[in-house]
Amino acid sequence: AQTVTQSQPEMSVQEAETVTLSCTYDTSESDYYLFWYKQPPSRQMILVIRQEAYKQQNATENRFSVNFQKAAKSFSLKISDSQLGDAAMYFCAYRSVDAGNMLTFGGGTRLMVKP
Amino acid sequence: DADVTQTPRNRITKTGKRIMLECSQTKGHDRMYWYRQDPGLGLRLIYYSFDVKDINKGEISDGYSVSRQAQAKFSLSLESAIPNQTALYFCATSDPGRYGYTFGSGTRLTVV
Repeated sequence: AQTVTQSQPEMSVQEAETVTLSCTYDTSESDYYLFWYKQPPSRQMILVIRQEAYKQQNATENRFSVNFQKAAKSFSLKISDSQLGDAAMYFCAYRSVDAGNMLTFGGGTRLMVKP
Repeated sequence: DADVTQTPRNRITKTGKRIMLECSQTKGHDRMYWYRQDPGLGLRLIYYSFDVKDINKGEISDGYSVSRQAQAKFSLSLESAIPNQTALYFCATSDPGRYGYTFGSGTRLTVV
């Protein structure tokens, strides 16, 4: 079974600065997908960014980018120019390409943004 | 209307009571899931269903049951609620493609 670990329960960043959230995972599969989800106080699960394991290029979505290190099984999220609205819980998630397509989540990182 | 609707949004119930959490979707997806969120543990899979006749246990199914009434409806039941089932519960759907996981807005359940 796959496991996902987020080693930082809480992080804080100054507004306009850059922060990196860490995620490691364990799998024996060669093809899979990785995701970062944002959960604001509204509870909604919002997809921030996704990465296909077969792609070497790191995914980027505006101020959000990832550092995907397949050999090291590491998938960190970088938030540039942090904004107050970035304050939320962030979950790293792994998804198999098998028939189930279930998501396996890390424990989450609470990001606080200081004005 | 939301693509995935969960009811109720919040619920307080007493130990030993039976409670049902409901989920309906307009995405037309066959696959539906129930997850439970606890602090520090992230979201964990309770049950999943690939179609009306295909229901499977997830990582933490003990104490829960589900019913897939139709393609669009997937309910989670706690037959006899206990305090450690206090959590935030999410329903989600997915399509067979590489992306497309859609979550409901969650039900916060408190068992006293």
